Amino acid sequence: DAKTTQPPSMDCAEGRAANLPCNHSTISGNEYVYWYRQIHSQGPQYIIHGLKNNETNEMASLIITEDRKSSTLILPHATLRDTAVYYCIVREYGNKLVFGAGTILRVKS
Amino acid sequence: NAGVTQTPKFQVLKTGQSMTLQCAQDMNHNSMYWYRQDPGMGLRLIYYSASEGTTDKGEVPNGYNVSRLNKREFSLRLESAAPSQTSVYFCASSPRTANNYEQYFGPGTRLTVT
Repeated sequence: DAKTTQPPSMDCAEGRAANLPCNHSTISGNEYVYWYRQIHSQGPQYIIHGLKNNETNEMASLIITEDRKSSTLILPHATLRDTAVYYCIVREYGNKLVFGAGTILRVKS
Repeated sequence: NAGVTQTPKFQVLKTGQSMTLQCAQDMNHNSMYWYRQDPGMGLRLIYYSASEGTTDKGEVPNGYNVSRLNKREFSLRLESAAPSQTSVYFCASSPRTANNYEQYFGPGTRLTVT
């Protein structure tokens, strides 16, 4: 599975959009981009995933560049409850998740 | 729907003691997983069960055994606990169907080995 690179931490003002970047320059054609988050030592929570096209659900939007070498998770209106560690994971369909260190997002009032 | 449940929530063991961590899911998922998370680190896969009746090693299987008791339950056993196994243990399940490989996690078991 391809390796991902994320910034160790980011800050965001409450009510503003949080844009979390992820680089995955070695991604192959059959690998998906997944995002999970972990709030204060709880179990990780699935957010969204995509292959080529941009995706949106009730939690977030996922923007994948045309060359698929990077992606951005967007939380449109961040709240204090979105403070968490966000993990970007690239994996083949059906393969196991491999978690990196993730990005600590701090939402501030 | 309780989702994924884990017992116990907390446990303290002495070196050399054994124990079994229990995990159950009520979502009729095919696959189940055990992870450990050390302080400040990401999760690492210990063992997984792709379907009832099968188990496979993950990234860090040494010192652990697992049993997929039935479709609902997947237990993790420490035969002789060591301080290096102090960690938070998470169980997860996944439908593992054609369109859904997302994993759903339990609340975790916090284990301290002294």
